[in-house]
Amino acid sequence: DVKVTQSSRYLVKRTGEKVFLECVQDMDHENMFWYRQDPGLGLRLIYFSYDVKMKEKGDIPEGYSVSREKKERFSLILESASTNQTSMYLCASSFVGAIQETQYFGPGTRLLVL
Amino acid sequence: DQQVKQNSPSLSVQEGRISILNCDYTNSMFDYFLWYKKYPAEGPTFLISISSIKDKNEDGRFTVFLNKSAKHLSLHIVPSQPGDSAVYFCAATPETQGGSEKLVFGKGTKLTVNP
Repeated sequence: DVKVTQSSRYLVKRTGEKVFLECVQDMDHENMFWYRQDPGLGLRLIYFSYDVKMKEKGDIPEGYSVSREKKERFSLILESASTNQTSMYLCASSFVGAIQETQYFGPGTRLLVL
Repeated sequence: DQQVKQNSPSLSVQEGRISILNCDYTNSMFDYFLWYKKYPAEGPTFLISISSIKDKNEDGRFTVFLNKSAKHLSLHIVPSQPGDSAVYFCAATPETQGGSEKLVFGKGTKLTVNP
């Protein structure tokens, strides 16, 4: 079974703080993704990575950065948290090379920025 | 511009009846379609998929139908059970071989199955 874990289920931070969200997958997947989910807006892609040290902007990268130093780990960084970054953050991973592009998701981190 | 549209934010059905969730897409390059199910406070889980070379794929109580000419797909759940109550996301991607493509998600439909 694929397992994607996220470092925290719930997080409360203050405006201006630097926030790190960690994601680890154990299936040797090449692709990793960060999404945020907001009511009425669905899943929106923030950043993705298809290899170590590689990253691509998604649909809403502003205010975020990412780091992928090891294949199994993909970090999302909020350089200076703001209240509009309060959201559910979801990490996912997928295998490259198969026709199927199924992404496997972690349980999510609910972030509240005060 | 929304490339994957789920026009019904919510749907309510009685236990034992059929649930039909709809999804439309605009990008003719999309060749592979997936449905994900999400419970509150959990990550989405893959439910069922379909390639554009098929018009139907079935897995137990879940069937996905694809009408490529209409750029429309639907997920049928028969019979619906209270445990099916969740948000369902439709997703699409160009089919690739050896590449990596992003999934494009719809906004989701919240299904409530009443006992």
